[in-house]
Amino acid sequence: GAGVSQSPSNKVTEKGKDVELRCDPISGHTALYWYRQRLGQGLEFLIYFQGNSAPDKSGLPSDRFSAERTGESVSTLTIQRTQQEDSAVYLCASSIQVEQFFGPGTRLTVL
Amino acid sequence: AQRVTQPEKLLSVFKGAPVELKCNYSYSGSPELFWYVQYSRQRLQLLLRHISRESIKGFTADLNKGETSFHLKKPFAQEEDSAMYYCALSASSGSARQLTFGSGTQLTVLP
Repeated sequence: GAGVSQSPSNKVTEKGKDVELRCDPISGHTALYWYRQRLGQGLEFLIYFQGNSAPDKSGLPSDRFSAERTGESVSTLTIQRTQQEDSAVYLCASSIQVEQFFGPGTRLTVL
Repeated sequence: AQRVTQPEKLLSVFKGAPVELKCNYSYSGSPELFWYVQYSRQRLQLLLRHISRESIKGFTADLNKGETSFHLKKPFAQEEDSAMYYCALSASSGSARQLTFGSGTQLTVLP
């Protein structure tokens, strides 16, 4: 079956605009994660969804960032009023137990 | 809070030489440790986890609780081992939880 998919693969936007990133997890995976990877840095946890539980939003860097997930399917990460420091690769992962399966990422560039 | 430290950003070795990628962690509880790898133009993927005590592609890693380390080792490096390696920690064993990643080590195996 297909792995985790993300769209778009690349997004260039202007400072101040809103962007929406999409993640399609592996079917049946109850957990879904968003991470951010800035150039030359490690992966930074953003948010975690597990089934119908309240999401763990402890990694979101500001209230400009939000994420939604419908049931155990698609998730969208929204960044409002983008800033240049939001430029990064945004990775999504899903899991059913401990091992996380990663998508190819969305490279966001804020001009 | 947990933290993962990978002190080497870049590491180069010659083919056939031993390689060790260092990882230290801080966490007050009993962590679960992982090594993830990202080959050029591929997705981040799990290499090994300490709990399974496996050897994958000739790599091994031993959890040393006294030194709070989880170094990745291979006795004879191959050119195809060139990749970005991330050490990661999960604060809860046996269930899906967010991972804390180190900043990564770029390994280059020279011919």
